[in-house]
Amino acid sequence: KQEVTQIPAALSVPEGENLVLNCSFTDSAIYNLQWFRQDPGKGLTSLLLIQSSQREQTSGRLNASLDKSSGRSTLYIAASQPGDSATYLCAVSPSDDYKLSFGAGTTVTVRA
Amino acid sequence: DADVTQTPRNRITKTGKRIMLECSQTKGHDRMYWYRQDPGLGLRLIYYSFDVKDINKGEISDGYSVSRQAQAKFSLSLESAIPNQTALYFCATSDLFASGGTDTQYFGPGTRLTVL
Repeated sequence: KQEVTQIPAALSVPEGENLVLNCSFTDSAIYNLQWFRQDPGKGLTSLLLIQSSQREQTSGRLNASLDKSSGRSTLYIAASQPGDSATYLCAVSPSDDYKLSFGAGTTVTVRA
Repeated sequence: DADVTQTPRNRITKTGKRIMLECSQTKGHDRMYWYRQDPGLGLRLIYYSFDVKDINKGEISDGYSVSRQAQAKFSLSLESAIPNQTALYFCATSDLFASGGTDTQYFGPGTRLTVL
């Protein structure tokens, strides 16, 4: 059974600092890995998706890396802003189907 | 208008009551999912459906049932609600081919259910 862990559970940084969010998973046989953002009262929004054959994906200030062999992914958010405050969830999809296994998330607060 | 809608957004009910949560989508996706989220835990899959005639149990289906009334509608029922079913429930949709094989999931805003 795939286990997905996100550490730390919460993070508070001053505006402008770079954010580093970690995700680890126990079974390296994944199809892809996704990072989601969750805002209170709203659903999850997909930020980045990395296919198993890729090492990283970038979108604006966001960069996600994937190391399948070590079962790790990292989400970098450059020059954080108060609007980046949210919970960030990591999810992996197994090779044999498309059901997602989620981590518990990291709740980020960016202080103005 | 939102692509994935859930009704109701909030619901308080009593132990033993039957509850239905509804999900509708305008994205034209074949695949639909129901998840629950508990504090400190990730989302867990309850049921999923790859088309109208294909419904499958997820990780935690006990105490729940679903109905796929049409491609665009997927309902989750709690036959006899109990307090440990208090959670935030999310519906999601995806389409393997439209997404270029990534099967990216799109989530509704969630339903907060409290069972007293």
